Amino acid sequence: AQSVTQPDIHITVSEGASLELRCNYSYGATPYLFWYVQSPGQGLQLLLKYFSGDTLVQGIKGFEAEFKRSQSSFNLRKPSVHWSDAAEYFCAVGPMEYGNKLVFGAGTILRVKS
Amino acid sequence: EAGVTQFPSHSVIEKGQTVTLRCDPISGHDNLYWYRRVMGKEIKFLLHFVKESKQDESGMPNNRFLAERTGGTYSTLKVQPAELEDSGVYFCASSHDQGLAGIETQYFGPGTRLLVL
Repeated sequence: AQSVTQPDIHITVSEGASLELRCNYSYGATPYLFWYVQSPGQGLQLLLKYFSGDTLVQGIKGFEAEFKRSQSSFNLRKPSVHWSDAAEYFCAVGPMEYGNKLVFGAGTILRVKS
Repeated sequence: EAGVTQFPSHSVIEKGQTVTLRCDPISGHDNLYWYRRVMGKEIKFLLHFVKESKQDESGMPNNRFLAERTGGTYSTLKVQPAELEDSGVYFCASSHDQGLAGIETQYFGPGTRLLVL
């Protein structure tokens, strides 16, 4: 069965510092991969997605993620964090077969200190 | 274009009562999904509609949960009777027809926060 692991439950970074959130997946074939963000009081917003092609994916709000098949990873990065990035981040994998349900990681809560 | 909307945003009920959650997907989206996040756990899939038909309901926890999508537009998720462990955030998502692409991006609503006392 597919699974997604986000090893870090909480991460705290200083404003202006770089950020990397880790995501590892377990899946038998090439997955479809997503990063979503949930700001306080808001719903889930899609940051970026990987379906195929270039393994470095650019998203909204200055985020990017790199798909590494050999490591089964899809880590999210941002070169300079802003206070407004404080939120909870979810990595998700989608199956190939018809049905399209997403399997989510447990989430990583990002705190930004000034 | 309006996003996915959910109603109510919060609901507090007592054990044994009934609650109905509503989701309005993005206009034109045939696929509608329900997910749930129980406190401290992962967001987990409940079920998937294609238009008015249930495509996959493998994630529904038990027969106290009933989902409908009459006419293939909005959907309701009824919990009857509610139990303490049903507390959590219920998310709805929608996506366009998959066609040959195999998968389409799911757009999520803000969620309904359900607390069962």
